[in-house]
Amino acid sequence: EDKVVQSPLSLVVHEGDTVTLNCSYEVTNFRSLLWYKQEKKAPTFLFMLTSSGIEKKSGRLSSILDKKELFSILNITATQTGDSAIYLCASNTGNQFYFGTGTSLTVIP
Amino acid sequence: NAGVTQTPKFRILKIGQSMTLQCTQDMNHNYMYWYRQDPGMGLKLIYYSVGAGITDKGEVPNGYNVSRSTTEDFPLRLELAAPSQTSVYFCASRTEPGLEKLFFGSGTQLSVL
Repeated sequence: EDKVVQSPLSLVVHEGDTVTLNCSYEVTNFRSLLWYKQEKKAPTFLFMLTSSGIEKKSGRLSSILDKKELFSILNITATQTGDSAIYLCASNTGNQFYFGTGTSLTVIP
Repeated sequence: NAGVTQTPKFRILKIGQSMTLQCTQDMNHNYMYWYRQDPGMGLKLIYYSVGAGITDKGEVPNGYNVSRSTTEDFPLRLELAAPSQTSVYFCASRTEPGLEKLFFGSGTQLSVL
């Protein structure tokens, strides 16, 4: 059975902290790994990763994929209250996307 | 820039009632998806479609039906609503293979009482 597991389930940090969110996957026909941010409503796209070892970066957020060990991490540096959200990872297997349960991040001022 | 549009945004149903959640996209995407999201459970795939006239079951299809008569529209039908179908429903569409990013609608919050 295809599955995606995220950890931790929730995290509370102070502004300025650095956080690392984890995503492991066991899927057949892996094509890519995607990260989304969800604040109240629909998930919004952050990154798509297809190749091992190549870091994707956008401002204070970065992500990397390890296809040998079947996991990805999402790093957020110098966290701000606006980073408070649920972070979802998903594995694309061709026609389908399998989502993890998400990590709920709360950033305290 | 409409993207993916879902209606209604909120709905309360009584047990046994039926309803259709509407989803339309204006990006000419062939691939469309219906997900449900329960608290702390991530998104579960209900049904998906790879093009007009083609639909397939996802992880949790029981109690739902879909149709895809046009590229733009992908309605989700709930027959005989049950409390277990209380959830937030998201419709999404996807770019073609090679740029596989999901675009989501704003969601429908459904309560079955």
